[in-house]
Amino acid sequence: SQKIEQNSEALNIQEGKTATLTCNYTNYSPAYLQWYRQDPGRGPVFLLLIRENEKEKRKERLKVTFDTTLKQSLFHITASQPADSATYLCALDTAGGGADGLTFGKGTHLIIQP
Amino acid sequence: NAGVTQTPKFRILKIGQSMTLQCTQDMNHNYMYWYRQDPGMGLKLIYYSVGAGITDKGEVPNGYNVSRSTTEDFPLRLELAAPSQTSVYFCASSYAADTQYFGPGTRLTVL
Repeated sequence: SQKIEQNSEALNIQEGKTATLTCNYTNYSPAYLQWYRQDPGRGPVFLLLIRENEKEKRKERLKVTFDTTLKQSLFHITASQPADSATYLCALDTAGGGADGLTFGKGTHLIIQP
Repeated sequence: NAGVTQTPKFRILKIGQSMTLQCTQDMNHNYMYWYRQDPGMGLKLIYYSVGAGITDKGEVPNGYNVSRSTTEDFPLRLELAAPSQTSVYFCASSYAADTQYFGPGTRLTVL
């Protein structure tokens, strides 16, 4: 089965700096990789999806890279703000292409210090 | 659109009791999912459905049952609740089996 590793320790970043989160996976190569944001007591919220043939994707202050050779995705938040503090989850489609659900990492708790 | 709604928000059960967690989506999505999330752990898939009348087991289905009689509703049934089922339960839906839209969750405690 797919295994996903995210830095499960809290990541402290100074406001205004770029936060970089890492997602590593093993086993089969997914067709796409997704990032979600989760705030305490709430459900995950979709942020970005990047497909296996895409190297990089951007959305406002967010950027995701996908290296299928390294089996790694990096998630960047530029000009970070305290409101960006949350847990960020990496998710991969399963061998079934996502119809049978996603495999989630444990998440990285990001704290942006004012 | 309300998106994905879940009821109840919180529930405390005694060991051996049963209950149904409700999930409804108004986006006309065919794909629906139930996950559980334990503290410090990733979401684990319990059951999923690719359309009305079709359901299948996920990674951790034991102790749970589902049904999908309509596109909108995907209830999760807990029979004979056990302390190991104490968790936060999330329902999600998807249009094209990629991006998933999650509900607010149900926090369940079994004592």
